[in-house]
Amino acid sequence: DTAVSQTPKYLVTQMGNDKSIKCEQNLGHDTMYWYKQDSKKFLKIMFSYNNKELIINETVPNRFSPKSPDKAHLNLHINSLELGDSAVYFCASSQVKRVKRPQYFGPGTRLLVL
Amino acid sequence: DQQVKQNSPSLSVQEGRISILNCDYTNSMFDYFLWYKKYPAEGPTFLISISSIKDKNEDGRFTVFLNKSAKHLSLHIVPSQPGDSAVYFCAASALSNDYKLSFGAGTTVTVRA
Repeated sequence: DTAVSQTPKYLVTQMGNDKSIKCEQNLGHDTMYWYKQDSKKFLKIMFSYNNKELIINETVPNRFSPKSPDKAHLNLHINSLELGDSAVYFCASSQVKRVKRPQYFGPGTRLLVL
Repeated sequence: DQQVKQNSPSLSVQEGRISILNCDYTNSMFDYFLWYKKYPAEGPTFLISISSIKDKNEDGRFTVFLNKSAKHLSLHIVPSQPGDSAVYFCAASALSNDYKLSFGAGTTVTVRA
């Protein structure tokens, strides 16, 4: 009964490869997010989708392409992986309404590019 | 440009005592503030939040105080327990942007027995 789940938890791959990370939420939320935690431990937003519509794209290289097949899923595809893409990627979800509500995070995907 | 700052990277406190974590922000448009707790190899877990129309919110052992004029908020944990040892992140969102949380760098809390 995990609220926000991500797969895989760990991902080790070579430079130049293409990889995907999947995220699912069972909270009935209408908005999903991808955050990146870099080596300095800062959490920064990458993308946000509301009802399957892209709302935020925070100057992320176009090698990163999010896809939201439905409100409960937000996947992240990364083309031509680079060493600097090594980080922890967190998916989150929330219900965006007039009253502000917290975002709930998944366990993270630890990506290591060799 | 870090709009949310946690200037203390670490805090050590004795079990049973109060932990006080501080957070400063620069964006006057922020109207919703949150604290998250994070254990190693896990995702951030929501702890407590406060809207800018309030100056205090309490939930069990956790209390968040907001001082809008100083653009400062703090999290009090009383009494501190060993399970509270974790990284605590302060986050905020702006009136104009419901979809984005800006995070501080985190404060690592260690509760000593």
